[in-house]
Parts: sequence; C-alpha cells; structure tokens
Amino acid sequence: ETGVTQSPTHLIKTRGQQVTLRCSSQSGHNTVSWYQQALGQGPQFIFQYYREEENGRGNFPPRFSGLQFPNYSSELNVNALELDDSALYLCASSLDRGFGSGNTEAFFGQGTRLTVV
Amino acid sequence: QQPVQSPQAVILREGEDAVINCSSSKALYSVHWYRQKHGEAPVFLMILLKGGEQKGHEKISASFNEKKQQSSLYLTASQLSYSGTYFCGTEGLATSNFGNEKLTFGTGTRLTIIP
Repeated sequence: ETGVTQSPTHLIKTRGQQVTLRCSSQSGHNTVSWYQQALGQGPQFIFQYYREEENGRGNFPPRFSGLQFPNYSSELNVNALELDDSALYLCASSLDRGFGSGNTEAFFGQGTRLTVV
Repeated sequence: QQPVQSPQAVILREGEDAVINCSSSKALYSVHWYRQKHGEAPVFLMILLKGGEQKGHEKISASFNEKKQQSSLYLTASQLSYSGTYFCGTEGLATSNFGNEKLTFGTGTRLTIIP
C-alpha cells in the first residue's frame, strides 16, 4: 500500500475520444507526476505538477494535459485518443518538488490500464 | 537519454546472487531503483545521490559511480519474492531554479527466481 490510488483501474475507449484519469495522492504530497508505461517498457515521463502548477513536461503532445487540485488529487486528460495511447498510466506522488530534493522517493499508484480500439 | 539497463533478463535459483546495471550518458544527480511485479505499481527500493555512496536494504544494496554515471543493484541470496522487473530511474543535474529534472526510467531488467 503506497497511499496513492488511481481510478479507474481499466478503461476501453475508441480512437478519437477523450479520457480523464484520476489520481489521489498521499496527504501532504505537493508533487504529482504522471507516467505512461507501454507493455514491456519502462515508465515514460508525461508531466509533473507542483502545488497546482506544471513543473516540467516530457516529450508528449499538447493533447495530453493535466490538473492538480488543492486536495492532493490530480487528473490526466488525453484528447483525440490514438491507438498508440494504449498503455498503463501511472501517477506518482512525492513530498517535495522534483525527485532529488531532500532524498525524496516517489510513491506510485497501481495504474490505469487504457486500451484504445 | 534513457538509461541503459543490463542484463535485460536473468533467471536465478533461490539463494543465488544477481547484479543489475544501469548506465546513463548524462551527468546525474541521483539514481532511483524500483521493482515492479506483474500488474502492480512500481515499488521504491532506494535512492542514491551523487557522491558514490552505497546503500543497503535488507539483502539488496546498490552503488553509484558518479564519474562513470553508472549504478549497480546487488541482490544477494535471492528470495522468491525478489522476482519482478527492476527499473532504474535517473535524475539529471538541475538546469534551473524551478526544480529538479524528471525521473527517466530505463527499459527494465526482468528477474525470475525459481525454487
């Protein structure tokens, strides 16, 4: 148990649709990061939010967007879904901004398995 | 700039030792190690900061060679529960005051422990 929960656990969408994935971080964790993990690959960084503001973004198109709320929850929104968006989406929360400050570890949720057909 | 892990997969008998390597092409601030079991979230093992310090966690330890930008994870007297895919995540030196860089994960090393 990491204290980070994601919903839903599984989702099937049609190409072109929009999807919202949700994450509830540990209380007090100001930083949340979202990752995309394709089958057999390592997690790929999408973006990070610190105190409700974007704090870094990976190599993903603008149709991937996010929000972080004051209650330590966050969302990942993906518009105009493509078949290649099928993956496990992970959120990770941490106490401090970034990962390296103060020897901070990240706590991952169990992920949302998104299938685009 | 994704770190390279080796080997890609390894099969051990219970009680044997293993070493998993992680190598980066850029200057690093830290290396993070995670283990992920099938269908589960990655679980944090340890962080190593630049300075070459070695850390340990039960029978799992790791080292970080700052000059070579390499880290190694050592599993001794492996147990069945050690099975899973191990990922290293590397963090580059901060390039701005806005915060540290993202964690970039390697492609993983699948470890299978057999009785």
